[in-house]
Amino acid sequence: DTGVSQNPRHKITKRGQNVTFRCDPISEHNRLYWYRQTLGQGPEFLTYFQNEAQLEKSRLLSDRFSAERPKGSFSTLEIQRTEQGDSAMYLCASSEKGRHNTEAFFGQGTRLTVV
Amino acid sequence: AQSVTQLGSHVSVSEGALVLLRCNYSSSVPPYLFWYVQYPNQGLQLLLKYTTGATLVKGINGFEAEFKKSETSFHLTKPSAHMSDAAEYFCAVRTFSNTGNQFYFGTGTSLTVIP
Repeated sequence: DTGVSQNPRHKITKRGQNVTFRCDPISEHNRLYWYRQTLGQGPEFLTYFQNEAQLEKSRLLSDRFSAERPKGSFSTLEIQRTEQGDSAMYLCASSEKGRHNTEAFFGQGTRLTVV
Repeated sequence: AQSVTQLGSHVSVSEGALVLLRCNYSSSVPPYLFWYVQYPNQGLQLLLKYTTGATLVKGINGFEAEFKKSETSFHLTKPSAHMSDAAEYFCAVRTFSNTGNQFYFGTGTSLTVIP
């Protein structure tokens, strides 16, 4: 296992279309995070899973956004009725459970452009 | 509430000069602190972290950072800049509490290395 994998790397979509991104975490990691990063900003937290349970959701995650991790392995992030303001880099990260496993490992991100 | 402030969105240094990137945090509980580096169109890579114990921590590529509780700071340094250090650097704080288990990132500092 070489790390966190995100697909696709780039997505261009028309406003109003739905898009779905996939994240495959490091295999033994049970925690999975989604972040959004816009140009010139740091990553902003969207949501967090422990196994298949979605434990935290940011207020940034409007009702057009939904994330799932059905079997506690890979996760998907769907954006419905995309808007130009959704254009950003979407980052996925994973970490192991436990206070000794403190850092998150990030994927290379999916860059979304809404035209 | 947790937050991170990175002073200086852009820092330029000459090759071979000292690198100093500033980070201050606020946290209601003892924090875990991180520095990540991001190259263009890439995800975030961990440089170093502080959890407990020794307050001076060493990371990859010759970087180090010192946790100063009294100053709520975690500044990143490198004695001698290299051209390959040019990148975006993010400071992050993570806390384990009833209110959450996420990472909070600063807005980032873009490091330019002048030959």
